[in-house]
Amino acid sequence: QVQLVQSGAEVKKPGASVKVSCKASGYTFTNYYIHWVRQAPGQGLEWMGEINPSGGSTTYAQKFQGRVTMTRDTSTSTVYMELSSLRSEDTAMYFCARDRLPNGDYYFYYWGQGTLVTVSS
Amino acid sequence: QSALTQPASVSGSPGQSITISCSETSSDVGGYKYVSWYQQHPGKAPKLIILDVSNRPSGVSNRFSGSKSGSTASLTISGLQADDEADYYCSSYTITRTHVFGTGTKVTVL
Repeated sequence: QVQLVQSGAEVKKPGASVKVSCKASGYTFTNYYIHWVRQAPGQGLEWMGEINPSGGSTTYAQKFQGRVTMTRDTSTSTVYMELSSLRSEDTAMYFCARDRLPNGDYYFYYWGQGTLVTVSS
Repeated sequence: QSALTQPASVSGSPGQSITISCSETSSDVGGYKYVSWYQQHPGKAPKLIILDVSNRPSGVSNRFSGSKSGSTASLTISGLQADDEADYYCSSYTITRTHVFGTGTKVTVL
């Protein structure tokens, strides 16, 4: 069965960076895009960007351009999301999610369990 | 600021039908072809319940239905049940090849 397992909670100071992992299993890793979606406490969902695990190409939301980097390791079927220059407003639950269909889709069908990132001095 | 606006809250009694609207407020959404809806219970990851405006993924109850008229998409929940109490988000693929979520709607079952 398809599983996306994310790394554990993180506490970071303002100005630092955080790197969250999302390990995929149960399907051919390189066939499906992975997205990152975040949710601040009590707030709505926010799409951050996507990565094509096949070639590593990425698309980022304009809001995060220059501050987010998504990478993948095909040997371990893991996708990473690194967010730099953290500020308190980045405190949120970060989810990875997989496309429903291979080779690019428009819908997030499988989700990780979420990783809480807290930014506090 | 989201390009998709939803009412903050909608409520209904068990057995009733409710409708949640999702209005396009930016031309980036580009005609709204790839619209989806997600259900999120507290402390859980979202779940896809509607795709392509009006189609349900396998396993999703037929009490959930989607539609679109002009620049407004809608999610209707019929035969409201206690377990439908959750947050609901619309989402769309945009002409800039990015994704955007709606502002979210809290559904309360009275």
